[in-house]
Amino acid sequence: SSDLAQPPTVSVSPGQTASITCSGDKVGDRYVCWYQKKPGQSPVLVIYQDTKRPSGIPERFSGSNSGNTATLTISGTQAMDEADYYCQAWDSSAAGVFGGGTKLTVL
Amino acid sequence: QLQESGPGRVKPSETLYLTCAVSGGSINTLGYYWAWIRQSPGKGLEWIATDYYTGETYYNPSLKSRVAISADASTNHISMSLTSVTAADTGVYYCAGSPPNYYAVAVWGQGTTVTVSS
Repeated sequence: SSDLAQPPTVSVSPGQTASITCSGDKVGDRYVCWYQKKPGQSPVLVIYQDTKRPSGIPERFSGSNSGNTATLTISGTQAMDEADYYCQAWDSSAAGVFGGGTKLTVL
Repeated sequence: QLQESGPGRVKPSETLYLTCAVSGGSINTLGYYWAWIRQSPGKGLEWIATDYYTGETYYNPSLKSRVAISADASTNHISMSLTSVTAADTGVYYCAGSPPNYYAVAVWGQGTTVTVSS
């Protein structure tokens, strides 16, 4: 089990905005990052420190984190964004912890 | 870059040994923290262990009794062992690295598949 809860699935139409939430007790007090995971590929970091985008990640990816919820937002979603997305933070023992993952479907 | 290597197949109750070759810098001077992360078939990502460049280690509480992580500066390798494996330990194991002050994994290996089967 994980102390970070994500919706199992999110669906979005091409060109629309997708929002994926990551809920946990006082998650806003911790840095949250987000990974994109496609089948057969290694995960890719798309957001770190709540809101920062690594070099090479499109501007349509953005993040926020406050209170008990962190959110990954993908604006103008494209077919290539279809993937599993995982949030990640740190637990009290300084080991990383992942959310359960969200499958983003671009219909 | 990170490159994992492992046995591919391990028998139940045996110990799994994985290594990760780090290139592009010395693990002692990069200031990264190093981690092992896995994904079992049909499941999500699971954090296994963390090794800070200072030598501090941290473990997933659910695996702590069976896992060990270490870093060898002389060979520039990160290693992991997992004892008493079962079918539930089958999956893809990733070596991962986080730059200083990132608080996130920015570098991933390509993953090595481990199957626990007799």
